Amino acid sequence: DGGITQSPKYLFRKEGQNVTLSCEQNLNHDAMYWYRQDPGQGLRLIYYSQIVNDFQKGDIAEGYSVSREKKESFPLTVTSAQKNPTAFYLCASSQGDSNEKLFFGSGTQLSVL
Amino acid sequence: RKEVEQDPGPFNVPEGATVAFNCTYSNSASQSFFWYRQDCRKEPKLLMSVYSSGNEDGRFTAQLNRASQYISLLIRDSKLSDSATYLCVVNIPPGGYNKLIFGAGTRLAVHP
Repeated sequence: DGGITQSPKYLFRKEGQNVTLSCEQNLNHDAMYWYRQDPGQGLRLIYYSQIVNDFQKGDIAEGYSVSREKKESFPLTVTSAQKNPTAFYLCASSQGDSNEKLFFGSGTQLSVL
Repeated sequence: RKEVEQDPGPFNVPEGATVAFNCTYSNSASQSFFWYRQDCRKEPKLLMSVYSSGNEDGRFTAQLNRASQYISLLIRDSKLSDSATYLCVVNIPPGGYNKLIFGAGTRLAVHP
């Protein structure tokens, strides 16, 4: 079955630690995205990538980094510079320029120890 | 004013009821509108796109009012399984990959 796989489902971060969230898709989609969801708020865009080896900052990129070395993979690193990392992180993909329908992974809940 | 605003609810309705949610948006040039459904701690899933003429999918009807800048979602004959949070999503021109704005969601609880 085609889809987006995020791992892990739950992740705990110690203070000062960098952690990486995995996102893999086999939908052959060009565009991939990372969103953050906090209680009572809408999803906010962290980073997005339209093509391999290229990515752009979203609205809340500070304290995060990404890479897009393969079409299928778009990992997100939450660095120690992100002072409030506790949130639900969602990876998504979409197919083409004119298609804004998003397909989401099942999410990663990140908490700080 | 927020770019996309929704009544957070919760809307508590009995099975079989009809319920409607509104979502207002601030950018009059927006062209694409969607409703997503999100279950607790799960990923959002596309429920319907919203077209200018309005559209229906079974018990669900979506409408767009450009003059007043809002979209609506009507659910008829509510089922227990409709309990979820409904997210309004609007594109902000000029559009493209990074220009979808999500509302905070409206929570629906359907009870027996």
